Amino acid sequence: GAVVSQHPSRVICKSGTSVKIECRSLDFQATTMFWYRQFPKKSLMLMATSNEGSKATYEQGVEKDKFLINHASLTLSTLTVTSAHPEDSSFYICSARATSGSRHEQYFGPGTRLTVT
Amino acid sequence: QKEVEQDPGPLSVPEGAIVSLNCTYSNSAFQYFMWYRQYSRKGPELLMYTYSSGNKEDGRFTAQVDKSSKYISLFIRDSQPSDSATYLCAMSAWRGGGADGLTFGKGTHLIIQP
Repeated sequence: GAVVSQHPSRVICKSGTSVKIECRSLDFQATTMFWYRQFPKKSLMLMATSNEGSKATYEQGVEKDKFLINHASLTLSTLTVTSAHPEDSSFYICSARATSGSRHEQYFGPGTRLTVT
Repeated sequence: QKEVEQDPGPLSVPEGAIVSLNCTYSNSAFQYFMWYRQYSRKGPELLMYTYSSGNKEDGRFTAQVDKSSKYISLFIRDSQPSDSATYLCAMSAWRGGGADGLTFGKGTHLIIQP
């Protein structure tokens, strides 16, 4: 299957600082990437859809000014958590959509564990 | 009613047994159905992808989709201890240009006993 990487895998930051997470599709081009959030023992919740060359689309309840998304190329999307607070501590996972004909599989990165102290 | 319902388990079965996992959903707009396996603190790994109703087989895995009943299943034959993980069903609708972001079930924690 297609490979998606994330960096960093784990980050600890102080409250009030900003953190940037990178998501890369390594062996395919992805015009669309997605960002999800997962709390302990909970399922993944879609935060936003990232489209190359255009503004991201955010799900209801997700603050776009807090979670800045940039999709500058066909293989890279970044999520910046601005002015982080302890309640932002979570597991952030990106996925990249591989489109071929009618197939629309999403491949996930390994995730980034964010801890805000 | 949540959009996707999935029993969180845990589901414990002996090695070699056939495992049956399933999800129900309420949104008739869902067209794409996937099963992912997730190990603790890792990203989900795509196991099966289906688009239409019916069965799809890949090795020890068989995915079933019944759109009329809004019910999907994943069967694992000859289960192994290494299959122990959380299995997530996921589905999406079409949103201009491609499949939408995924809506996930809660995930079923599966334990295969040696």
